[in-house]
Amino acid sequence: NAGVTQTPKFRVLKTGQSMTLLCAQDMNHEYMYWYRQDPGMGLRLIHYSVGEGTTAKGEVPDGYNVSRLKKQNFLLGLESAAPSQTSVYFCASSPSRTSGRALETQYFGPGTRLLVL
Amino acid sequence: AQKITQTQPGMFVQEKEAVTLDCTYDTSDPSYGLFWYKQPSSGEMIFLIYQGSYDQQNATEGRYSLNFQKARKSANLVISASQLGDSAMYFCAMREGTTSGTYKYIFGTGTRLKVLA
Repeated sequence: NAGVTQTPKFRVLKTGQSMTLLCAQDMNHEYMYWYRQDPGMGLRLIHYSVGEGTTAKGEVPDGYNVSRLKKQNFLLGLESAAPSQTSVYFCASSPSRTSGRALETQYFGPGTRLLVL
Repeated sequence: AQKITQTQPGMFVQEKEAVTLDCTYDTSDPSYGLFWYKQPSSGEMIFLIYQGSYDQQNATEGRYSLNFQKARKSANLVISASQLGDSAMYFCAMREGTTSGTYKYIFGTGTRLKVLA
């Protein structure tokens, strides 16, 4: 039981390059989330998904796209990276609201550190 | 308006003493959850404690307790008998329902705690 894993752990991009961050969870969670963490700003929600094939925008979605083709995977894409997207990206998953597992928290991946030059 | 407010950017505490980290929240959802996470320098997010809005008693988990004052909309984390390993960033978060019937999580900006030997 690996929990939530993220690939890659660290990446350096040049402005304008594209990349995809992969998040995988093996807990059969319905909900998955992508956050970015910047100094002094806590975690801000980029996009989230409440089930396979569904995604929604969070607080800071501009410049990012996501896909949830399989329940266990949630992909975050940067089509044209900008220096403002330098950040640490966290993926998380949680049970759904109707799952009866209300006491459970979000489970976080280890994070991906992205540097855009 | 901030939904989760942590007013202490940084705190110091002497080893073996207790410390309180403040958190206030704002929501109109009658059914919400409050969480505290620890983020050590290694970067991972560690779940500490959970308090449901309908819970009558304050949550406790080992040396962690949550001082839940619903009328004041506060959910302060109390760490008893501080240890050097408690030095970390601490995040308060709230889970509330959305109009579409799902959950979302909102994080505060964090409090950096330093335990002094």
